[in-house]
Amino acid sequence: GAGVSQSPRYKVAKRGQDVALRCDPISGHVSLFWYQQALGQGPEFLTYFQNEAQLDKSGLPSDRFFAERPEGSVSTLKIQRTQQEDSAVYLCASSLQSYEQYFGPGTRLTVT
Amino acid sequence: DAKTTQPPSMDCAEGRAANLPCNHSTISGNEYVYWYRQIHSQGPQYIIHGLKNNETNEMASLIITEDRKSSTLILPHATLRDTAVYYCIVRGNAGNMLTFGGGTRLMVKP
Repeated sequence: GAGVSQSPRYKVAKRGQDVALRCDPISGHVSLFWYQQALGQGPEFLTYFQNEAQLDKSGLPSDRFFAERPEGSVSTLKIQRTQQEDSAVYLCASSLQSYEQYFGPGTRLTVT
Repeated sequence: DAKTTQPPSMDCAEGRAANLPCNHSTISGNEYVYWYRQIHSQGPQYIIHGLKNNETNEMASLIITEDRKSSTLILPHATLRDTAVYYCIVRGNAGNMLTFGGGTRLMVKP
């Protein structure tokens, strides 16, 4: 069956531009997570949704980062006024049960 | 969630068993041990998890010591496609997010 998909797979943005990253979770999965992975590091938690409710956004690094999931399925992570330190792979994961998260391939963001 | 410690890298010969250790000495009674792996340019993939009993599935076996302060992930017959970064994660059952450390970079060699 279809897994978690993310688009675009690669994004190059000039510093100061806004970007929007999309995540299509596995159908029926109520939980959705966003992680940020810097080069050579493990993924770091950004935010968590249960259906359309954003239950935890403690990992968002600044108020330039915003995530939404208005209908409880597709989610968008938006970064305003991108900075070079935002360059990373952004991973989305979805989950039906509490223990297994299914990850997408990620979006590699490069800010120049 | 408790912190985990893993060796940064390991090598394994193709066809041999790969044994990946993890220390989690501060694990508490309701925390599970999870293993994920991340193949280059892909998202992490769930492998296995356990509480205190040993577990086995089609991918791997998980051996947890009796005091639960350490565990070992075993890939019984490693193949070149098992080359990846393996993450050991301790997480409470009620928790949601995964806290990844640095992981172990496993290189399977022909």
